[in-house]
Amino acid sequence: SQKIEQNSEALNIQEGKTATLTCNYTNYSPAYLQWYRQDPGRGPVFLLLIRENEKEKRKERLKVTFDTTLKQSLFHITASQPADSATYLCAPGNFNKFYFGSGTKLNVKP
Amino acid sequence: DAGVIQSPRHEVTEMGQEVTLRCKPISGHNSLFWYRQTMMRGLELLIYFNNNVPIDDSGMPEDRFSAKMPNASFSTLKIQPSEPRDSAVYFCASSLDWTSSYNEQFFGPGTRLTVL
Repeated sequence: SQKIEQNSEALNIQEGKTATLTCNYTNYSPAYLQWYRQDPGRGPVFLLLIRENEKEKRKERLKVTFDTTLKQSLFHITASQPADSATYLCAPGNFNKFYFGSGTKLNVKP
Repeated sequence: DAGVIQSPRHEVTEMGQEVTLRCKPISGHNSLFWYRQTMMRGLELLIYFNNNVPIDDSGMPEDRFSAKMPNASFSTLKIQPSEPRDSAVYFCASSLDWTSSYNEQFFGPGTRLTVL
C-alpha cells in the first residue's frame, strides 16, 4: 500500500530564514500533490497544488517542487515569519482521492 | 459562504452508544469527504461521495461505521456501537467539481469525539 512520509520531528528555524519541508512517497504514482497548513484545533487549509508534469510552483513566499523520479516533494517558505508556525501536510493524489502525510510541525522563532 | 459546517464540535459518549456526526458542505460543491485524524495514524480518508453517491468507502474501518448523503447539502457519519479506539477528530471536507482531477478540498472545523 502507499506510504507518505514527512519528517515527524518539528522544524525550528529563525525568523527570516527559509524553511524547507520534505514529503516522500512510496508504492504510489500520484498525478498531483497538494500541500496544506493545519493550525491547532482547526481543519487543514489548502496552500498549493503541483501537477506531475510541473517541476516547480510558486505562490508569494511559498515554493513547491515535485520530483516524480525521486518520489519527493519539497515545500519552501522564504522569509519565514512567526505566523508561519503550524503543521504542514502533504497529500499526493489521483483524481478525487489522495493520501495525507502525518505532517511536519514548523516553529518559526522571532 | 460559511464554509463547511460540522456538528457537534465536541462529543463525549460512552462505549456502546451510537454516535452521529453531521456535515453541511459548501453550497455548489459536488464532492464530500470524511476523514479521521489521530496522533498515531494521522489524517485518514474514510469515505467520499460524488454527487451524493458513495464512490470509495475502502477507508471505513469496519461495519460499525456508516455514512450517508441524502442530498447535496447534508451528510452523516454514524458509529454504532462506538468504542474507545474510535476517539479521534473527524473532519468533513468538500470540493467543487469531481469531474476535474485537481481540486482543493475545503475542510470543516472537525468534531472531536471521545468515547469513554
